[in-house]
Amino acid sequence: SQQGEEDPQALSIQEGENATMNCSYKTSINNLQWYRQNSGRGLVHLILIRSNEREKHSGRLRVTLDTSKKSSSLLITASRAADTASYFCATDGSRLTFGEGTQLTVNP
Amino acid sequence: SQTIHQWPATLVQPVGSPLSLECTVEGTSNPNLYWYRQAAGRGLQLLFYSVGIGQISSEVPQNLSASRPQDRQFILSSKKLLLSDSGFYLCAWSRGRTDTQYFGPGTRLTVL
Repeated sequence: SQQGEEDPQALSIQEGENATMNCSYKTSINNLQWYRQNSGRGLVHLILIRSNEREKHSGRLRVTLDTSKKSSSLLITASRAADTASYFCATDGSRLTFGEGTQLTVNP
Repeated sequence: SQTIHQWPATLVQPVGSPLSLECTVEGTSNPNLYWYRQAAGRGLQLLFYSVGIGQISSEVPQNLSASRPQDRQFILSSKKLLLSDSGFYLCAWSRGRTDTQYFGPGTRLTVL
């Protein structure tokens, strides 16, 4: 299966701390995407990293990709309570496939 | 800009009743369209996707069906709902099969 698997399933941190979520996948990809979902809402695209990129930044988000290990990480720096959400990675194969997500809770 | 609409936002239906959820996209043409179901605290299960009018692919055998009567309209239906059909239903669109997907606000379905 091409499906990404996020780790950990749940993460609870204090405001101001950094949050790191990981995604592992099984087969070769062209790109990997990260999405965010607030409770009871649709998913929102955060960032896309291509297979020839190793790191990408967007605001407080930093994504890394290690194709040799078939893994990616999403780092949120200086977290805020508003960052509380579920985060999903999605890998491309015959179609985009989403993982089970990491539930991040940022406590004020 | 592109927008995606889903309705209704919330639905409570008795077991055995029919279902019709609608999704429409504005601001783009010939989108790929998707229906997902999400159980509480879980990931997305792809139910159906469509690359064009009348072209529907089913990912999981189930009690549901989908139709695409117009380029930017995607409908999820059931003739008789089951308790197990309860969940959060999300519609999404993309330009290509592996491109970024843009999601609607979702429909919370409770079957009693």
